[in-house]
This record gives sequence, structure tokens and C-alpha cells, in this order.
Amino acid sequence: NAGVMQNPRHLVRRRGQEARLRCSPMKGHSHVYWYRQLPEEGLKFMVYLQKENIIDESGMPKERFSAEFPKEGPSILRIQQVVRGDSAAYFCASSPQGSLTQETQYFGPGTRLLVL
Amino acid sequence: LAKTTQPISMDSYEGQEVNITCSHNNIATNDYITWYQQFPSQGPRFIIQGYKTKVTNEVASLFIPADRKSSTLSLPRVSLSDTAVYYCLTGGGNKLTFGTGTQLKVEL
Repeated sequence: NAGVMQNPRHLVRRRGQEARLRCSPMKGHSHVYWYRQLPEEGLKFMVYLQKENIIDESGMPKERFSAEFPKEGPSILRIQQVVRGDSAAYFCASSPQGSLTQETQYFGPGTRLLVL
Repeated sequence: LAKTTQPISMDSYEGQEVNITCSHNNIATNDYITWYQQFPSQGPRFIIQGYKTKVTNEVASLFIPADRKSSTLSLPRVSLSDTAVYYCLTGGGNKLTFGTGTQLKVEL
């Protein structure tokens, strides 16, 4: 049973370009979470999605960032007009169902975004 | 106000038992306590979760006193491969709140 998959693993963009990060959850998982990690810091929650729905986007920057989890295909985290401050590791996690209780989240290997 | 407080770093030697204590004075009644492990350039990996008393699995034990204001992750007989950052988390719901974690370094 494959784990959470993310691609690309590394992404280099110039300022002003768009970055698209993809996440395929574990088989049977319908809930996806995105986190961002800056160097020497812990992960910071960004957004929680179910299929075709955004449940909680309280951690997402108000501008330039968007996320989706379509009925078919992976979840996408999209960053428009990237700036150097967007350079970070972006982790996706998935769980079988919504975490109203303390449900374990399974993390992918992350995408390391570098903005030049 | 930080949800959890844990040491920034710890050093140990192979074969020793390592105990990492986390303070969570404001833990809510319904909150669980969960520990994750993160290696460089990888995503966090679930280690163990508990609500009260003691929980043990194949890799670790978790001790939680009656007041639940702290918890201790116990790693028996660590090896070099246990060198990683260990995060203590409390809460429930869909947001995991990570602190800065404890950097454990295991040496020969």
C-alpha cells in the first residue's frame, strides 16, 4: 500500500512564476492536509480538504495561494507569483476520515520549493 | 502562548534509554497527546498517541501523569538511526500544531 506521494520533490522557480505542488493521498484516504515548514521550524498548518471541498483554510495566506482536491486526481497546492519568502518545504498529509478526534495523519516526503 | 514546551535538543549514546518530556499545561479535556518523528528531508512520521496513563507500542512508550499537564516519550535502547527531531502535539481536529521539537542526537 503506497504511502502519501508528492511531486515534484524539488521545485525551482523564479520570482513571479507559478508553483504547482501535487499530492496523492494514501489509498482509501479522502482527507488531505497541507503544511509548510521553514528551515529550523516546525510545520505550520495551511489547509484541510476533502474531495471537492475546502474544509479549513485558516492557515493559508490570503493572496496568491490556493488549494484544491478534485473528484479525480491529486490535490494541488498552487502558489501564484512566487516570492523568495515562499521558499520552504511543503508537506501533504492524509487521513481516512475527518479528524474530529485526534486522528493520525500520514505525511508525504514533501516538496522543497526554492524561489530564486 | 505555546501549546507545548519541550527541550530544544538532547544527546544520547547507542543502547541507552532516552526520555523526552513535553509540558502542556493548558491541555483541554478532550485533547490527545501525539508524538511524531522527523528525519531530515522527510515528512513527520507518527510514533505514538495517548490520552492518559501509559501507552506502549513496538517502538516507544508514552507516560502521561494523572493531571495530563506533561507527557514523556520513552525510546528504549536508541540507535544511531533514532537521530531525528521529535515533536509533541496536543489537540484534536484537523490542525496539527507543531512546535520546534526536540533534536535528538545519538552517538556511538
